[in-house]
Amino acid sequence: AQSVTQLDSQVPVFEEAPVELRCNYSSSVSVYLFWYVQYPNQGLQLLLKYLSGSTLVKGINGFEAEFNKSQTSFHLRKPSVHISDTAEYFCAVTGAYNTDKLIFGTGTRLQVFP
Amino acid sequence: IAGITQAPTSQILAAGRRMTLRCTQDMRHNAMYWYRQDLGLGLRLIHYSNTAGTTGKGEVPDGYSVSRANTDDFPLTLASAVPSQTSVYFCASSDSVGNTIYFGEGSWLTVV
Repeated sequence: AQSVTQLDSQVPVFEEAPVELRCNYSSSVSVYLFWYVQYPNQGLQLLLKYLSGSTLVKGINGFEAEFNKSQTSFHLRKPSVHISDTAEYFCAVTGAYNTDKLIFGTGTRLQVFP
Repeated sequence: IAGITQAPTSQILAAGRRMTLRCTQDMRHNAMYWYRQDLGLGLRLIHYSNTAGTTGKGEVPDGYSVSRANTDDFPLTLASAVPSQTSVYFCASSDSVGNTIYFGEGSWLTVV
């Protein structure tokens, strides 16, 4: 079984500052990893995903994440945030050979201040 | 393209009542899912279906049932609602292993 931990429930940051949202996973098998974003009163939409290949994954809206197998991490980064990036961010994991279940972390609330 | 349509958008329900949340997708995706989202707990998988005619239990299946009679529809039923089932429910679908999961806009359910 897989699990994912998002250590930070809230991350406040000023506009144009860099940000990192942390995600660690646990699995005994190879995994696929995802970051989703949820804007207020909306469903979730995919930011980026890691399936295989390059460990640095680039997504929409200037976000990127790096898969680190040795540290079992998949941290999300953006070099300069905007007010519009204020949202809830979810890390998710599924087994690469058993993708029946996508397991989500508890989410990180990114609050960007002017 | 509608994507995933959930109904109702919101509902207040008396405890003990039966309720079915509807979900329809027009993308011909094989896999469909139901999640509930609760503050501080993130999204938790209730039930899933890899293809029409099959279903499976997720992390929190108790008190819920699903059916998958065809590719497009995946209703979630609460046989006898309880206040702890107050939540936002998201239906989702994906077309293949490892591919993107698409989410509906959610159904806000309050059980009183």
